[in-house]
Amino acid sequence: DAKTTQPNSMESNEEEPVHLPCNHSTISGTDYIHWYRQLPSQGPEYVIHGLTSNVNNRMASLAIAEDRKSSTLILHRATLRDAAVYYCILRSSGANSKLTFGKGITLSVRP
Amino acid sequence: DTAVSQTPKYLVTQMGNDKSIKCEQNLGHDTMYWYKQDSKKFLKIMFSYNNKELIINETVPNRFSPKSPDKAHLNLHINSLELGDSAVYFCASTQRSWGETEAFFGQGTRLTVV
Repeated sequence: DAKTTQPNSMESNEEEPVHLPCNHSTISGTDYIHWYRQLPSQGPEYVIHGLTSNVNNRMASLAIAEDRKSSTLILHRATLRDAAVYYCILRSSGANSKLTFGKGITLSVRP
Repeated sequence: DTAVSQTPKYLVTQMGNDKSIKCEQNLGHDTMYWYKQDSKKFLKIMFSYNNKELIINETVPNRFSPKSPDKAHLNLHINSLELGDSAVYFCASTQRSWGETEAFFGQGTRLTVV
């Protein structure tokens, strides 16, 4: 599976928007872009995924660059509960593909 | 109802013992996984089963043996436990084994080998 690159950490203020970047320059045409997050002492939690078009759901928005070599997870109004490690993952549409986690980005939210 | 449940939540055992961790999902998913998260917080995939068939087997010592009695269950048995096996083990499931399907994770089993 193709690799992703994320900053190590980011800080945000509560109730402000947060933009978490991810680079995936070696993405292939069949790779889906997934975002998961892991709150302290919990298992990873699905956030959002997309292929080519921008996506919105109740948790976040995913903006995908036109060339698909980067994407941005957008939390519209950060809350203290959003403090977590966020993982940007590529997963192939081929059979038996892996969901491979990198280091992720640690998001801190200031009250 | 918990979608993916693991038991036990905590497990403390001595070196050399054999232990099992159980995982069950009630989502009707076809694919299940075991991940290991070490003290540095890296999440590494260990195994994956699709409809009871092993499809992913990373370079995991033979002491680790997964078993899937049916597609709703994936258990992990560990023989001759070593200090380095101490970690949090997560079970997960997806509808299918590829692409766009969302993964659901259990709450983890914290294994401590003393």
